[in-house]
This record gives sequence, structure tokens and C-alpha cells, in this order.
Amino acid sequence: DAGITQSPRHKVTETGTPVTLRCHQTENHRYMYWYRQDPGHGLRLIHYSYGVKDTDKGEVSDGYSVSRSKTEDFLLTLESATSSQTSVYFCASQEGLGTYNYGYTFGSGTRLTVV
Amino acid sequence: DQQVKQNSPSLSVQEGRISILNCDYTNSMFDYFLWYKKYPAEGPTFLISISSIKDKNEDGRFTVFLNKSAKHLSLHIVPSQPGDSAVYFCAAKGVNDMRFGAGTRLTVKP
Repeated sequence: DAGITQSPRHKVTETGTPVTLRCHQTENHRYMYWYRQDPGHGLRLIHYSYGVKDTDKGEVSDGYSVSRSKTEDFLLTLESATSSQTSVYFCASQEGLGTYNYGYTFGSGTRLTVV
Repeated sequence: DQQVKQNSPSLSVQEGRISILNCDYTNSMFDYFLWYKKYPAEGPTFLISISSIKDKNEDGRFTVFLNKSAKHLSLHIVPSQPGDSAVYFCAAKGVNDMRFGAGTRLTVKP
């Protein structure tokens, strides 16, 4: 009954290849987010979505694209993977901006290694 | 441009004592502040939040204090338990997103 599932959980890929990470939520949340976690930086926002087909850039969006064709699915694509994109990627969702505590629901993360 | 800073990468406390985790922010437009807890190989989980119009919010053993004039918030855990050992992230809500600090690893020793 996990609210958010991310796939794959681990991936090793070669420099220059495209990679797609998947996020699936069963909460019917409107808002979805992709973050990356790196030592010393915490969680940094890559892209977010405020509805089907509605997406926008976060603070570290270069080299990434996203798509949201259904409420429950939010895809993150690394167009041409580089070693600097080695990271742990987290997907999150939120019911709405009026949610009283504004807490996000996070997935368990995808550990991506670019070699 | 780190708008949310947690200057202590780690903190170690004895079981039963108080844990105090600190966070500073630079953007006065943040209107909501949150703390998340993260165990290894799991995603962060929401712990407690506070609106910018308040200076304290309490939930069981967890209390968050906000000092707007100093742009500082803190999380107090009393009493600390070994199960509280985790990485704690401070976060601040802006207009369209949430900014996170780098995290503080709390270790509670039995």
C-alpha cells in the first residue's frame, strides 16, 4: 500500500546514455516533485509538476526533463547522463498547496551511478 | 545559494537527554517550516511543521521553535530515544517549492 513507489531502486549507467526514472503514486496527489540528494547539499529540487502535463523547473534542472501524462506517474529523464548526475533521486508528492502542514510524501529513492 | 542551512552535520546525545537540532534560513519570504526525518535506504518522512506566524509547535516529544527575527528554527527532542537516530532535514516552504538544508545526523546512544 506504499503511497509512492520509485523504480528502479538502483541503476548503474554509462556516461552519455539516456536514463528514465519512474515515480508512481496512489494518493491522487496533484503536486509531484523530483529531488536529488547529495552530501553537503541536502535535497535539491530538479523539477516539479502541479498537474497533468503541467511542469516547471527547479533549482538544478539542467540536463533533466520530466513528463506527467497521468496524475499518478511522474517521469524524470536524464537526457545524456554525466558523472555529476550520480546521486540519490527522490520523488515526492503533495495533495495540494493548502494542505495544512505542507508535508510531502516521499518515495524510497533511486540510487543512480553514472560511470 | 543555500537558503536553508544546517551547520552541524552530526550530533550525538545520550538516551533520555534532550536533542537540539538547529537550522538557519536567509529568505524572509518563507512562510512555513518543516522538519523531516530520514532513515538509511528510505525516503524522508514528515515530522513536524510550524507556520511563520507562530513561534512554537509541539507534538509529543518533538517541539519546533521559530525565531523570525534571527531567521532561526530549532527542533527539540525530549527525551531522546535510540530509535530517534536518523538524519534530520530542515525545510522551508517558498512560493512553489520547498528548500531543504543539508541535514544533521543524530545519534542517540543507549
